Amino acid sequence: GAGVSQSPRYKVAKRGQDVALRCDPISGHVSLFWYQQALGQGPEFLTYFQNEAQLDKSGLPSDRFFAERPEGSVSTLKIQRTQQEDSAVYLCASSSDRGAYNEQFFGPGTRLTVL
Amino acid sequence: AQRVTQPEKLLSVFKGAPVELKCNYSYSGSPELFWYVQYSRQRLQLLLRHISRESIKGFTADLNKGETSFHLKKPFAQEEDSAMYYCALLGGGKLIFGQGTELSVKP
Repeated sequence: GAGVSQSPRYKVAKRGQDVALRCDPISGHVSLFWYQQALGQGPEFLTYFQNEAQLDKSGLPSDRFFAERPEGSVSTLKIQRTQQEDSAVYLCASSSDRGAYNEQFFGPGTRLTVL
Repeated sequence: AQRVTQPEKLLSVFKGAPVELKCNYSYSGSPELFWYVQYSRQRLQLLLRHISRESIKGFTADLNKGETSFHLKKPFAQEEDSAMYYCALLGGGKLIFGQGTELSVKP
């Protein structure tokens, strides 16, 4: 079956522009995670959804970052008024549940470059 | 604070040599630890998790609570093992990753 997909794969934005990044999780997966991976670093947690409920947004770096999953499947991460420090790879992952026995499956990522 | 530390950014070995990628963690409680791998031009994927006590592609990792370590080992490295390796801790339902170690296996 299809894995986690993300679009676009690459995005170049001018400083101050708004961007929207999309994640299509594996069908039926309840849990969805967003991570930010800066160059040379490991992924850092941004936010978590269980179905349509955003249960944890403790990793969002500022109020310019907003995520939604209105119907409990596709999710969108929106960044308003992008800044150069937002340049990173944004990873989406889904799992059938949140526990340690449930593997998180990662998408290919969206590489965002803010000029 | 919950933290994962991978002290080596790059580890270079020759084919057939033993490999050990180091991982130390900080966590108050009983940790759930994982190793993820990213091969060139592929997505991040789970390699192994300590609760399964499994060996995948010849790799093993033992949780040492006394030393707060979860080092990844393989007795004989292969060229196809060349990749980025990330140690991760499950804390509060989310994965906390180390900075990653790039393993380069030379012929």
